[in-house]
Amino acid sequence: DTEVTQTPKHLVMGMTNKKSLKCEQHMGHRAMYWYKQKAKKPPELMFVYSYEKLSINESVPSRFSPECPNSSLLNLHLHALQPEDSALYLCASSQELAANTGELFFGEGSRLTVL
Amino acid sequence: EDKVVQSPLSLVVHEGDTVTLNCSYEVTNFRSLLWYKQEKKAPTFLFMLTSSGIEKKSGRLSSILDKKELSSILNITATQTGDSAIYLCAVGTINSGGSNYKLTFGKGTLLTVNP
Repeated sequence: DTEVTQTPKHLVMGMTNKKSLKCEQHMGHRAMYWYKQKAKKPPELMFVYSYEKLSINESVPSRFSPECPNSSLLNLHLHALQPEDSALYLCASSQELAANTGELFFGEGSRLTVL
Repeated sequence: EDKVVQSPLSLVVHEGDTVTLNCSYEVTNFRSLLWYKQEKKAPTFLFMLTSSGIEKKSGRLSSILDKKELSSILNITATQTGDSAIYLCAVGTINSGGSNYKLTFGKGTLLTVNP
């Protein structure tokens, strides 16, 4: 069982809706990540948080808004999405960023469908 | 731009066969190379390689890194139908300031093992 928990597992939303994806880990990791994965494509990095501060934003549109309320939680707020944003959104964590040669632990993902 | 290339993109074998999956990379500030297995949902960790020439083994799976050739292979011996999955190679890099670590994924190899 994964130690990174994502909710909801499935989400269907309209283009005018506002929703949030949530991610939680209790491994004491200090870096957390959002990846987007389209069908038959590899995961693509969206955001990285280190010690609750945004460390990397891979030029993601502002309709995606990340938030890290504390070291265990990572949210992704969604607003005015487009149908092409439909994808599997994966959350991951790792021990630390700097001097990090470690693996990322992935959650099971939230499958988002935008109508 | 960091690049990770996997080959073949897909492979169909019979149970009992041995397969070799390839991963090559061109990145800045290499730190690690990781292999993940992805079935229906989240990628699950297989190996992390940081040193050249040292084979990592887990059951029927093994992997080795060649830093001179900027590549890695993943071997699976005596394949089983349960090995059917997408195998993702990811390269971990760190920025010049040493503060940001991220994984860049290859497109994956879709392995199908037929009974």
